[in-house]
Amino acid sequence: DGGITQSPKYLFRKEGQNVTLSCEQNLNHDAMYWYRQDPGQGLRLIYYSQIVNDFQKGDIAEGYSVSREKKESFPLTVTSAQKNPTAFYLCASSIGSQTFNEKLFFGSGTQLSVL
Amino acid sequence: GENVEQHPSTLSVQEGDSAVIKCTYSDSASNYFPWYKQELGKRPQLIIDIRSNVGEKKDQRIAVTLNKTAKHFSLHITETQPEDSAVYFCAARIFSGNTGKLIFGQGTTLQVKP
Repeated sequence: DGGITQSPKYLFRKEGQNVTLSCEQNLNHDAMYWYRQDPGQGLRLIYYSQIVNDFQKGDIAEGYSVSREKKESFPLTVTSAQKNPTAFYLCASSIGSQTFNEKLFFGSGTQLSVL
Repeated sequence: GENVEQHPSTLSVQEGDSAVIKCTYSDSASNYFPWYKQELGKRPQLIIDIRSNVGEKKDQRIAVTLNKTAKHFSLHITETQPEDSAVYFCAARIFSGNTGKLIFGQGTTLQVKP
């Protein structure tokens, strides 16, 4: 059950607070992704990174920020600007390059709730 | 806009019956179509994928078919078992600029009754 690890499993955010979700992988994958999962809406892409020190906005990037300072790590910060942050957040990785967006390996997710 | 439509949203079958989940996509240039299975409380896992140069692919009890002309693809599960109960997501890689973007369907909750 290893390879890509998300923490914490559950996270609570107070109004006006920024919170950071951790994602670490030891698969030596170049590409990493953050998805948001809401009931009945599938998986929506927040941010992705094809290589270290580079990342791109996905479809719903507003209110979120990321960094990719190390190949293994791709943390997601949910800022106070995200007005509806309650959701299940999934991090994923893939080998990248020619196989970008193929064969994604997912973490076990973080459930974020607003207090 | 770019989207992937998935039907049905819920599906209930008797153990041993077949289950079919269908998806349609909008971008005719899409070239890669994976299916992910998410069991309750667990992470999504890739179960099968197909590229646009292939019409059908099988792996034991699961198969995926692709109709590029109609822009739809389907997941077929034969001889269903209770452990097949899960949420299934289809996806299509849609091109935006020079980057391929994976768009997911809304998901299908499959229940296999023993």
